[in-house]
Amino acid sequence: DAMVIQNPRYQVTQFGKPVTLSCSQTLNHNVMYWYQQKSSQAPKLLFHYYDKDFNNEADTPDNFQSRRPNTSFCFLDIRSPGLGDAAMYLCATSRAGEVGNQPQHFGDGTRLSIL
Amino acid sequence: QQQVKQSPQSLIVQKGGIPIINCAYENTAFDYFPWYQQFPGKGPALLIAIRPDVSEKKEGRFTISFNKSAKQFSLHIMDSQPGDSATYFCAASQSSGSARQLTFGSGTQLTVLP
Repeated sequence: DAMVIQNPRYQVTQFGKPVTLSCSQTLNHNVMYWYQQKSSQAPKLLFHYYDKDFNNEADTPDNFQSRRPNTSFCFLDIRSPGLGDAAMYLCATSRAGEVGNQPQHFGDGTRLSIL
Repeated sequence: QQQVKQSPQSLIVQKGGIPIINCAYENTAFDYFPWYQQFPGKGPALLIAIRPDVSEKKEGRFTISFNKSAKQFSLHIMDSQPGDSATYFCAASQSSGSARQLTFGSGTQLTVLP
């Protein structure tokens, strides 16, 4: 099945040590999103790419960066993780163009722990 | 501020019961209303979705009721099963440039007792 795949499923890093999370998709969708989800909360959008165009949410900390080298892959870089960045990070995709009918397909997330 | 208000926060029903989850929105620019089901340790999965020109949509045991004038919509789960125990998020979507801006409700944790 076409999928959104996130690696690793679990990531542990040290306070302040840079970490990179990855996402790949076989759906050939042109839009990719990164969400942060903390325990018992709704997903919160960090940023999205439409093709190579990067769109940052106004309240996303500068500590969070992203790269999209091609259609299939997208990376989330956390430059100096703090304890408050411990969360589930979700990647999602959609296909732009059809108004009102583009659900976002989510991966199973990477759970990030900060020591 | 764009918000989608969801209630209740948690819900416990017996097997076979009909849990109902309600959501309300303010922004009339929303043009697509999906519901997501999320199991622990998994990403949200699209369950069912509706457009505002439709008042009701059924897919299997799941039904969305939509009241455009009241800006409210709800999810009904018929003949609920223990396997339906999960967190349910309503959402509202609108165009944001060439992408879709998805605003989530706060979630409802559903428990279906055997």
